[in-house]
Amino acid sequence: GQQLNQSPQSMFIQEGEDVSMNCTSSSIFNTWLWYKQDPGEGPVLLIALYKAGELTSNGRLTAQFGITRKDSFLNISASIPSDVGIYFCAGLTSGTYKYIFGTGTRLKVLA
Amino acid sequence: KAGVTQTPRYLIKTRGQQVTLSCSPISGHRSVSWYQQTPGQGLQFLFEYFSETQRNKGNFPGRFSGRQFSNSRSEMNVSTLELGDSALYLCASSPQGYGYTFGSGTRLTVV
Repeated sequence: GQQLNQSPQSMFIQEGEDVSMNCTSSSIFNTWLWYKQDPGEGPVLLIALYKAGELTSNGRLTAQFGITRKDSFLNISASIPSDVGIYFCAGLTSGTYKYIFGTGTRLKVLA
Repeated sequence: KAGVTQTPRYLIKTRGQQVTLSCSPISGHRSVSWYQQTPGQGLQFLFEYFSETQRNKGNFPGRFSGRQFSNSRSEMNVSTLELGDSALYLCASSPQGYGYTFGSGTRLTVV
């Protein structure tokens, strides 16, 4: 199936460090979403981006909609243990109502 | 307000059987999407419904079908189950088709 390229695949970081991850595509998207998924649960929406160049924050999380509309970035500042989980990006082409998901970034925070 | 509710949470079926999964969206949400999540393929789009009409469909065989009722509740059906259908099936709802909220999923195991 179709997926977006998300990197890194996984990362170990120390508590308090900043984290960056990104999502790239060969296709243009009109909407980018970032989700976090904990084991045994469904993904939880963190940030939604609707405009190229848009920079949006949600607490310690900041996400950007790339200017080319082919990529998006998520930053987590001052990571804490509860940030552990899998982070997914998802892109949407207008009018399709079909999100394409990234392969996920597994984040592990060392206390 | 209540979130997206999926039932059952866990299900074990035998190869060749059929299964029906249920999803109750957030009140007022008219768009419901279904996704299949597996370790190998990630999150894959199955279909999306809005006001009882299927607006988009993913690349899954005809054994996978869905429907939406007038109260926006949705069901998906998988007939003639195969071992490879074992997965977490996620339902998500939104008011119009953007910024989805996911349920906790139904974990289907086919033996």
